[in-house]
Amino acid sequence: EPEVTQTPSHQVTQMGQEVILRCVPISNHLYFYWYRQILGQKVEFLVSFYNNEISEKSEIFDDQFSVERPDGSNFTLKIRSTKLEDSAMYFCASRGLAGGGTQYFGPGTRLTVL
Amino acid sequence: AQTVTQSQPEMSVQEAETVTLSCTYDTSESNYYLFWYKQPPSRQMILVIRQEAYKQQNATENRFSVNFQKAAKSFSLKISDSQLGDTAMYFCAFMKRETSGSRLTFGEGTQLTVNP
Repeated sequence: EPEVTQTPSHQVTQMGQEVILRCVPISNHLYFYWYRQILGQKVEFLVSFYNNEISEKSEIFDDQFSVERPDGSNFTLKIRSTKLEDSAMYFCASRGLAGGGTQYFGPGTRLTVL
Repeated sequence: AQTVTQSQPEMSVQEAETVTLSCTYDTSESNYYLFWYKQPPSRQMILVIRQEAYKQQNATENRFSVNFQKAAKSFSLKISDSQLGDTAMYFCAFMKRETSGSRLTFGEGTQLTVNP
């Protein structure tokens, strides 16, 4: 069964450093998403991406964040200058035209900012 | 904006028993989806069940079923014959039905523990 994959599974970085989180969505899906979950809290939407552009972003997704689909298979989230409060689990999700709106999640990348 | 509320932070149930998790939501939309996702200790988000708002029939997936009350904006999850592997955090989520890639809005979650 196709699945969403994410790398790395765990990233440790120093405050102020740039990080890139990578996702490979399910191959025939057209809608891509990033969410984050701070430990012990609910899952929060960051950004959605469709037809090679951002379709919606939350107030969390400020100028420090960017997304890209560089090669037709990968979908990346870049954080330019990490802060301590960026420590969280980051989930990528994808959705196809069929499937009744279901978003399929990757296993997540745990980001730790020191 | 949509909001999703799960008023039970924690619940427990004995193995083989039935448990119901509550969820309410607020929206002015008429066309939307509702979901229950399960998050075990691995923190993977796993779809449990989906409901389309225009369908009056409640969704069922094996031991999992929902009670969808559109007028009351209520969407509860019933787990029958609970198993130890059902121990997880359960999130209720809402999504508008549109073509441009709508976000999921999650509730705060309910931690379910199934006891042997």
